Parts: sequence; structure tokens; C-alpha cells
Amino acid sequence: EADIYQTPRYLVIGTGKKITLECSQTMGHDKMYWYQQDPGMELHLIHYSYGVNSTEKGDLSSESTVSRIRTEHFPLTLESARPSHTSQYLCASSEEAPVTQYFGPGTRLTVL
Amino acid sequence: AQSVTQPDIHITVSEGASLELRCNYSYGATPYLFWYVQSPGQGLQLLLKYFSGDTLVQGIKGFEAEFKRSQSSFNLRKPSVHWSDAAEYFCAVRPNTGNQFYFGTGTSLTVIP
Repeated sequence: EADIYQTPRYLVIGTGKKITLECSQTMGHDKMYWYQQDPGMELHLIHYSYGVNSTEKGDLSSESTVSRIRTEHFPLTLESARPSHTSQYLCASSEEAPVTQYFGPGTRLTVL
Repeated sequence: AQSVTQPDIHITVSEGASLELRCNYSYGATPYLFWYVQSPGQGLQLLLKYFSGDTLVQGIKGFEAEFKRSQSSFNLRKPSVHWSDAAEYFCAVRPNTGNQFYFGTGTSLTVIP
């Protein structure tokens, strides 16, 4: 069983606020990912990282930013939240051998 | 274009009935294949995966999946569905090159008594 954690699980905030969604994993995985998922919809990759100090944007354009200063930590930041950011955000990490991706429980973000 | 297709958006089955969820992919070489399950408000839980070898793979919760190269399919099956299996199911692939995973749009399963 994978150990990947996300906080907060639920967040309701007002427009214009700066927020950081936390993601941590204790498995020592080099690769980590952030996905955005609207209810009943597929997952869209917004950011990924192959290791410390390595980050890339995913297929879905996002106004968020990420950092990877430590292997186990991959936080996502929104400088100024807007209602269009309302969604579920899923963090994942993957091992290479065997190739498998593990997910955290998600953060449900609502921007009013 | 490369894609992962789950043709069934929603499936309803009776408890105790058998289940098959379909997944097709279009990638050049055989990719790594996965099935995940997602309960409401939760993250994705890995059910099973296929890398190579035996084309019938067993997973958790009584699920199995069969890889068919000729059909580019990786269908998920369960002989007898339980009410607790009601959830969203996602098929995913990771091509042999690159590091990204690609997901289907999901199949929502409803189980009726």
C-alpha cells in the first residue's frame, strides 16, 4: 500500500486568496504528479516532476505553480484563486520498477 | 492520435451479477496497463496492472483483467459484483517511452440490490 498524503482534504476560500495544496510521499519516489479532476470527469495532468528541482507543466494549462525542493514534498500553489479553479486536485507519485503510479486522497477546492 | 477509450460512461448491474468494463488504447508498442477505482471524494486506488507475461492478471477485491494485443484492449472483469463495488473505474496506460500516464474518461458503476 502506498503512503501519499494530501492536505487539506477540503478547502473553501474566497476569490483572490493565495493557497498552497500540500502533497507528501514517504516512498522515496522520484516522480510526482498533480492532476485536476472535475466531478465525473477524466484526470488532466497539470504538473509533474522527475526529481528534486525538476518540474514541468502538463497537458492542461494551469495558473498554478509547483516546487520540488525535497524528494518527498511536491506542493502546488495558486497565487490568486478564482472560481474557475474549483475542482478536485489529485497528487500522485510513481516508482520505476515496476512502473506504477499511486494516488493521494485528493483535495477538493471550492473558490467562492 | 494516442488515446485511452472507455466506451461505457455508465453501467448498472445487479448485485451478484458478473461485470465487464471495457478499455481500448491506441499506442504503438504495448504500454504498461492499469485499472484504478475511485470512490466518491477519494483518490484513485490501484486494482491491477499488466506489464508483460500472462495476459490474464489478478487484482485486489476479486477483479481480474485480460490483455488482448490483437484488439488493443484491457478489459476489467469480476464474476460476482458486490454493492461495495459501486464506484468510478479508470483505465490508464503508460507508454513504453516517456514518463506520463494517460487515463480514460472513466466508467461509473451502479450496483442495484
